[in-house]
Amino acid sequence: DTAVSQTPKYLVTQMGNDKSIKCEQNLGHDTMYWYKQDSKKFLKIMFSYNNKELIINETVPNRFSPKSPDKAHLNLHINSLELGDSAVYFCASSQWEVNTGELFFGEGSRLTVL
Amino acid sequence: RKEVEQDPGPFNVPEGATVAFNCTYSNSASQSFFWYRQDCRKEPKLLMSVYSSGNEDGRFTAQLNRASQYISLLIRDSKLSDSATYLCVVNYGQNFVFGPGTRLSVLP
Repeated sequence: DTAVSQTPKYLVTQMGNDKSIKCEQNLGHDTMYWYKQDSKKFLKIMFSYNNKELIINETVPNRFSPKSPDKAHLNLHINSLELGDSAVYFCASSQWEVNTGELFFGEGSRLTVL
Repeated sequence: RKEVEQDPGPFNVPEGATVAFNCTYSNSASQSFFWYRQDCRKEPKLLMSVYSSGNEDGRFTAQLNRASQYISLLIRDSKLSDSATYLCVVNYGQNFVFGPGTRLSVLP
């Protein structure tokens, strides 16, 4: 049973389209994250939610909108896709007060914008 | 200056070698420190936490120097299966900041 699952795993789309990536965790964690890993393999945080509240919002274009319907889900919607959005997007979760440093990652969603 | 810096490598070492990775961080308010491992086209996974007193887990030893804002990872007796990218991670609050990673290839 996958702890952090994200769909779709692969996404190929045209510039200008809108797409969504979904993420779910069954670990009972209260904090979820979206990270972007670009072609240079640099893993950069985009958003973090704790109990459905946005707590980290790095400098990300407002074309990216996260939504957390409940603490087990954190979806990412991207409007007007651009070539530079091509990357692997990782969802992750952790438990806030425990803070062991263990982020549990999903397998990643590889987005290619043509 | 990036918040977390690492030597990108790649480090190409023979099996059985000892290899050391270095990492520096810029935010003196950082609270916790970790090494993650990422295999090719896979998600990152926690390798070990790094404590001020230094800690060891089998062939892996991690060290932290808060005064110099420096973290290290030593791998002894390298195995082929150690080939991966090693990511230095620094935490403050609930923000986990990843370094760019150091790629290791262990050769037969």
